[in-house]
Parts: sequence; structure tokens; C-alpha cells
Amino acid sequence: QVQLVESGGDSVKPGGSLRLSCTVAGLTFGDSYMSWIRQAPGKGLECISYINDVGTTIFYADSVKGRFTISRDNAKKSLFLHMDSLRVEDTGVYYCARAVWNWNTGFGPWGQGTLVTVSS
Amino acid sequence: SYALIQPPSVSVSPGQTASITCSGDKLGDKFVSWYQQKAGQSPALVIYQDTRRPSGIPERFSGSNTGNTATLTISGTQAMDEADYYCQAWDGTAVVFGGGTKLTVL
Repeated sequence: QVQLVESGGDSVKPGGSLRLSCTVAGLTFGDSYMSWIRQAPGKGLECISYINDVGTTIFYADSVKGRFTISRDNAKKSLFLHMDSLRVEDTGVYYCARAVWNWNTGFGPWGQGTLVTVSS
Repeated sequence: SYALIQPPSVSVSPGQTASITCSGDKLGDKFVSWYQQKAGQSPALVIYQDTRRPSGIPERFSGSNTGNTATLTISGTQAMDEADYYCQAWDGTAVVFGGGTKLTVL
């Protein structure tokens, strides 16, 4: 059974840092293109970062560029998102998701999400 | 930056056909995926590469994409299909989502 499990979400003050993790089971993680997609409360979906199977192609949305860092450990079947200089507008549920094949082919499955709250 | 536009809401009667559109410049030249998000749940892929259904997705879900508009069609809509639906495409750099459409089954 395929499972993506996110962790690391928490409540932090503006300017703080967090590290999110996504552990994958039931699929060949080392062949998978992965992404972080977030959803602000009551809002739509935003892909904030993605990384290819070997970590040589990385994308960041302008909203997080220079503050967030995506990485992966294929041996541990894990995806990470290090978030610095957090802002109130970074509040939301953060999902990890696997690309079906690549960025052109959609994302599935998704994890259950982890909640990040940035508030003073 | 590339934008995908969806109607905020669509209503349909049970058993009827629901159509949700997604518009973008030359969208037909890109592959479109569709996601269903039920209340309190994570999004789930229902259509990818314009027309393909992942394993486990009912046949009543279908997709098309031509010109500037992609369409998700749900035939014989059921109460369980009530959800938010998002379209998504890749513009060559960024993964772009539409704003989402709330499907109400009246």
C-alpha cells in the first residue's frame, strides 16, 4: 500500500524556522519526482517546490524562493522542506505528493498534510 | 506568470452531467490534470494527461483539452462527487493550479 506521511508542522512566530519531512512507503521512491504543495486556510493549492529523482532539478515558487530549501534522501525514502524566515502568509497545510511520472503528468498519491501556523 | 481560470462554483442534480472548465492561454498545448478534494481530505488525482484515469477512479470521470479550455466531465453525478475540483498544468517551469471549483450536487 502506497503511503506518504508528512510530519514537522508546528506553530511558530514570524521569522522562525521549521523542517518538514515526508516519508514514503509502497513505491520506488528513488525513481519518483516529488513536490511540496501547500494550501492556505480556505484557499486553493500552490506548488511551492519540486525536486526530480536525483535532486539535480529543483524548482521554487517566487513566494518561497530564498527562504525554503527542498531536499531528499533516497536511502531513507524521505523528502524534506527546510523553511526559514517564516511569514504569516506561509500558514497552511503542506502536502507532499509524487508526480505520476514527471511535472507534466499530474501528482498522485498525496500525503495527509501537516499544518504550519505562523503567528505572533 | 501562467494562469488557469476556473468557475468558483458549479451545481448539478444527481444523475446529471457536470462539466467543470479550466481556461488558460494555449492550454491545449499542455497536459492538464484534475484533482478532487473532499471536505477535510487531501486532494486526489482523478484525471491526468488530459484524459487518463488513475486506477480506481470511476469511469464517470472524463477529461478533454483543446484550444484554450480543458474540461472535466462527470457523467451520472453522485452525491459522493460533491467536492472541490482543481485543474493543474505545467508551464515549462512552474506547476500551476487553477483556483478551484466547488461542485454542489443538489
